[in-house]
Amino acid sequence: GAVVSQHPSWVICKSGTSVKIECRSLDFQATTMFWYRQFPKQSLMLMATSNEGSKATYEQGVEKDKFLINHASLTLSTLTVTSAHPEDSSFYICSARTQGQKYTEAFFGQGTRLTVV
Amino acid sequence: GQNIDQPTEMTATEGAIVQINCTYQTSGFNGLFWYQQHAGEAPTFLSYNVLDGLEEKGRFSSFLSRSKGYSYLLLKELQMKDSASYLCAVRATTSGTYKYIFGTGTRLKVLA
Repeated sequence: GAVVSQHPSWVICKSGTSVKIECRSLDFQATTMFWYRQFPKQSLMLMATSNEGSKATYEQGVEKDKFLINHASLTLSTLTVTSAHPEDSSFYICSARTQGQKYTEAFFGQGTRLTVV
Repeated sequence: GQNIDQPTEMTATEGAIVQINCTYQTSGFNGLFWYQQHAGEAPTFLSYNVLDGLEEKGRFSSFLSRSKGYSYLLLKELQMKDSASYLCAVRATTSGTYKYIFGTGTRLKVLA
């Protein structure tokens, strides 16, 4: 299968600061990347979908000015949590897929555990 | 809107067979996926169904009925390492874009 690398694996930041999370597809071109948030013992909640070179589409209730998503190339998408607060502490996971029939499933990064103190 | 339901928790014994059900109501259906997720880790792909019927992959099988909005994941010869959450995900197309929407997940405990 294809490999998606997410960095960092964990980060602790102070309240009010911004944090950037990177998601890279290592051996395929990710035409679409997805960003999810997962709270303990809950399922993945889709935050936004981004297609390379265009603006991200955010799910209802997700603040686009707080969660900035950039998908500038076919192998890299970034999520920036701006002015982070303790309630933003969560497990953030990216996934990526490519067009065509080679891979139909989306592949997931390792996830980033964000703790805001 | 999109709605995907799974049981919250299940318990089974090592060596047994367990079936995890998933029902969904979604527009633009374009496939159903099952993922396994261990605590603190990212989900890993298990299976994919887009047509009705059963897909078998070793100890894991997945079934889909599109008319009923129903799928199940069957795990045979359970092992302790199968203790994990199992996520049912529907791929839906909206305005030409794919989205993967996840169910609540089923936490499976395998007992010795």
